[in-house]
Amino acid sequence: DIQMTQSPSSLSASVGDRVTISCRSSQSIDTYLVWYQQKPGNAPKRLIYAASILQPGVPSRFSGSGSGTDFSLTISSLQREDFATYYCQQTYSSLLTFGGGTKVEIK
Amino acid sequence: EVQLVESGGGLVQPGGSLRLSCEASGINVRSNHMSWVRQAPRKGLEWVSLIHDGGSTYYAESVKGRFAISRDTSKNTLYLEMNSLRAEDTAVYYCARTVQYSFDLWGQGILVTVSS
Repeated sequence: DIQMTQSPSSLSASVGDRVTISCRSSQSIDTYLVWYQQKPGNAPKRLIYAASILQPGVPSRFSGSGSGTDFSLTISSLQREDFATYYCQQTYSSLLTFGGGTKVEIK
Repeated sequence: EVQLVESGGGLVQPGGSLRLSCEASGINVRSNHMSWVRQAPRKGLEWVSLIHDGGSTYYAESVKGRFAISRDTSKNTLYLEMNSLRAEDTAVYYCARTVQYSFDLWGQGILVTVSS
């Protein structure tokens, strides 16, 4: 299976901060990478697919980049509604795997 | 309205069985890839199983041989048959439409608790 490693596992930030979350795969996955946002008690929501394509309706402050084994999700100016847990997932293999998650908390 | 609604969860003893259902509205389970994804309490997401539109099935190693995914196109419903349940199968189970192997539409989730 392809292993996905996210860092950090948690971070504290303030409204307006620029935040970057990293995701690394155990083998090259080209741009077969998706990002989700999950708030407590809710199902995850897809934010970005194919590493950098924003899901319709997702604010433009979210962006994704990377290819091969190293990827990142950036929130350019953190808003209150962005405090949540973020997961990456590889879509390269039919044995699908997620990263462990990054919890973004209020400082 | 496009939605997925899971049912069938609950408390089951170790070694027991349970069948989860996911009724789809606004989409056709026959013409979509569909998956089950679970989340143990206070843990991350884990993909469990996938059924292609053509009927091919795939399983995570942790459930292979114990779980079975299927669909009933007449009822537009996805299923997950879970046997030989273990404490580590305790989780919220989500069904999800799977597009290019990512999950773009999710149900609300259903809790399965395996405990004596």
